[in-house]
Amino acid sequence: DAMVIQNPRYQVTQFGKPVTLSCSQTLNHNVMYWYQQKSSQAPKLLFHYYDKDFNNEADTPDNFQSRRPNTSFCFLDIRSPGLGDAAMYLCATSRGQSNQPQHFGDGTRLSIL
Amino acid sequence: DQQVKQNSPSLSVQEGRISILNCDYTNSMFDYFLWYKKYPAEGPTFLISISSIKDKNEDGRFTVFLNKSAKHLSLHIVPSQPGDSAVYFCAASAGYGGSQGNLIFGKGTKLSVKP
Repeated sequence: DAMVIQNPRYQVTQFGKPVTLSCSQTLNHNVMYWYQQKSSQAPKLLFHYYDKDFNNEADTPDNFQSRRPNTSFCFLDIRSPGLGDAAMYLCATSRGQSNQPQHFGDGTRLSIL
Repeated sequence: DQQVKQNSPSLSVQEGRISILNCDYTNSMFDYFLWYKKYPAEGPTFLISISSIKDKNEDGRFTVFLNKSAKHLSLHIVPSQPGDSAVYFCAASAGYGGSQGNLIFGKGTKLSVKP
């Protein structure tokens, strides 16, 4: 009964070939987040949606885009993946209230050939 | 420059004893702190949190202590069990709290509980 579901769990793409990662939630949470986590590093927030409002972190590369067509789904698009984009990508959700924890999916491991 | 630091990459504890995981932060604007547990091949799972208006929060075997003057928090697990073996991440946020604010994570501490 996973509540934040990420597909696929593992994704392999070629250098420069666009790739889309998906996340869905059954929690009906207002906020959805995308994090990038490289090996032995802390998860780093890329951007988040509060309902339909998109909030990009200042240091997120333009190569990364996101879409949230409805409450349940959020997508991460990488337009031209480079070798440095190989990482674990984590989706999370939370209620739109103060001091509420974020709930994470199991992540998508992205490899670049 | 890391705003949330977990200086111990790993910790090994005997089953039944106390595990103490530590976390330091530099941003005095942080007002909400969380601990997450992560098993291999799974996403982080929320464990326990504390608001800056408190100095202690307890949930079963897990207690989080916050020392604002030292900018330090710790997670105590008593008694430790082999199933607690995982990577533990400390996280903090400022302003709006965990729901809207940017969660800043530490790099994690790998806890091994030996039978």
